[in-house]
Amino acid sequence: AIRMTQSPSSLSASTGDRVTITCRASQGISSYLAWYQQKPGKAPKLLIYAASTLQSGVPSRFSGSGSGTDFTLTISCLQSEDFATYYCQQYYSYLMYTFGQGTKLEIK
Amino acid sequence: EVQLVESGGGLVQPGRSLRLSCAASGFTFDDYAMHWVRQAPGKGLEWVSGISWNSGSIGYADSVKGRFTISRDNAKNSLYLQMNSLRAEDTALYYCAKAPSAMVQGSFDYWGQGTLVTVSS
Repeated sequence: AIRMTQSPSSLSASTGDRVTITCRASQGISSYLAWYQQKPGKAPKLLIYAASTLQSGVPSRFSGSGSGTDFTLTISCLQSEDFATYYCQQYYSYLMYTFGQGTKLEIK
Repeated sequence: EVQLVESGGGLVQPGRSLRLSCAASGFTFDDYAMHWVRQAPGKGLEWVSGISWNSGSIGYADSVKGRFTISRDNAKNSLYLQMNSLRAEDTALYYCAKAPSAMVQGSFDYWGQGTLVTVSS
């Protein structure tokens, strides 16, 4: 199975900061990558798919980039509602989808 | 508005069975693939199983293969997960998730709120 590794596992930042979360795949996955945001007690929410395409309704301060094995999620100007856990997910391996372990973004 | 409502979770003894359901509304159910994703308490997300719009493509995570069966009833706008030979490690919140197309390969654009399965004696 393709292993997805996120870094860092946790991150402290302040409102207004620019933050970047990295996701690395154990083998090439082209651009078959999605990013999700999950808040405590809530279901995950799709932010980005195809590595860089913003899901409808998601604020433009979120952006994604990368292809192959290395990907990033960037939040350009942190808002209070952005403090959450973020997961990457690969869907390159047909019906063998895997998520990263998550990155918890906390208020500094 | 897309709505996915899971049901059927509960406390079950190891080795027993449970059937989860997901009632879908707000979209044309038989136009989209569907998935189950789970999250153990305090842990990350794990894809469990997926099914294409016409049930022609079905897949399972290795951790549940041979024990779980996914199915759908397009006439009832419903997705199911039959879980047999349950183990303690199957304890998790089970989410129903919609794919953005009829094909199983893709992200998950809408999620339900989940149903909790606890496997314990």
